[in-house]
Amino acid sequence: DIQMTQSPSSLSASVGDSVTITCQASQDSSKYLNWYQQKPGKAPKLLIFDASNLKSGVPSRFSGSGSGTHFTFTINSLQPEDFATYYCQQYYILPYTFGQGTKLEIK
Amino acid sequence: EVRLVESGGGFVQPGRSLRLSCTASGITFGDYAITWFRQAPGKGLEWVGFIRSKAYGGTTEFAASVKGRFTISRDDSKSIAYLQMSSLKTEDTAVYFCTRGYDSSVTLGVYWFDPWGPGTLVTVSS
Repeated sequence: DIQMTQSPSSLSASVGDSVTITCQASQDSSKYLNWYQQKPGKAPKLLIFDASNLKSGVPSRFSGSGSGTHFTFTINSLQPEDFATYYCQQYYILPYTFGQGTKLEIK
Repeated sequence: EVRLVESGGGFVQPGRSLRLSCTASGITFGDYAITWFRQAPGKGLEWVGFIRSKAYGGTTEFAASVKGRFTISRDDSKSIAYLQMSSLKTEDTAVYFCTRGYDSSVTLGVYWFDPWGPGTLVTVSS
């Protein structure tokens, strides 16, 4: 199985800050990586697909990059609604696997 | 608007069975693969399995943790996919989500997991 190591596991930031989350795959995942946002009691929402493509309707302050085994996710100019948990997920090789999540909290 | 809604969750004893439904609206259901994920209380996300569209054979794939115990089927005429869970274990306790996706001729799997339903809680306990 491809292990996805996501860091940090938690992060404190202020409105207006920029933050970056990384996801390291234990083997090549090509470009097949998603980033999701999840708020408590809600289903995850797809933000970024194929590592760097912004899903339609998602604000442009969200971005992703990377390929192979190293991926990054950045939020520029944090807004109050961005405080949530974020997950990466590879869908290149079965079983599809997720990072353990990054909880983004307000400082 | 594309919408998926899970139903059928509840409280069940270990060893028993339960069937979840994923009902879709706003899409031509048969054109899509349907994937199930789950999330144990306070834990991360886990892929459970998927069913391909009929155009890709309607075949299924499962995580090792549920293989042989869970099956997925679909009724395209009703726009419903089912997750049949048997021999349930306490570690199957989770919120179960379904998502729409596309079959991939490149990876031979599924890509695009959006939107997600709100989820249905399954509690396995004696």
